Amino acid sequence: GAGVSQSPRYKVTKRGQDVALRCDPISGHVSLYWYRQALGQGPEFLTYFNYEAQQDKSGLPNDRFSAERPEGSISTLTIQRTEQRDSAMYRCASRPILSTDSPLHFGNGTRLTVT
Amino acid sequence: SQQGEEDPQALSIQEGENATMNCSYKTSINNLQWYRQNSGRGLVHLILIRSNEREKHSGRLRVTLDTSKKSSSLLITASRAADTASYFCATNSGGYQKVTFGTGTKLQVIP
Repeated sequence: GAGVSQSPRYKVTKRGQDVALRCDPISGHVSLYWYRQALGQGPEFLTYFNYEAQQDKSGLPNDRFSAERPEGSISTLTIQRTEQRDSAMYRCASRPILSTDSPLHFGNGTRLTVT
Repeated sequence: SQQGEEDPQALSIQEGENATMNCSYKTSINNLQWYRQNSGRGLVHLILIRSNEREKHSGRLRVTLDTSKKSSSLLITASRAADTASYFCATNSGGYQKVTFGTGTKLQVIP
């Protein structure tokens, strides 16, 4: 596709349920990033992948959060036993090459609401 | 955690005026990028400045970088209503690919 695609756009779930958020990066992009963004704040780093390898997961808040990118393309961010504090916009971005000089291309995000 | 802090948090100007926003960061970097975000949509990359550069231009955008002060500024000249958005700085540190964002400046350009 033309850009980074995230699904679903909106997700409402009850506290305690597991959710899976999907990111489909721009075709051929080697790096994929996950961020969480609260209203009025900047994106907060969660984790990133180069190809299928998770390089840094230091931003994942706790062990309820996990991410994978098994074939080096689509990625899934999973939140287990959701809590109300997990409510936020979750954003995915991809990067075409491994150079730190290349820009991030963002999707429109998934708005997660935990009730 | 946020690497950068933008200043001011919010800025309101008349169309045609210049807008300046500042970013301060904490650790040494190899580059600094600026992004724009319209109304909660995805962020869009505007411009990148490397740590060995002091100033860069792109259209109506001018970015400066002072590594001794760990700060950067973004100037938008001759602002337009369409420039209304939030602006974020983002940094890459030490060859490491992790990208961390600042807290953002919300710019409103009044027609």
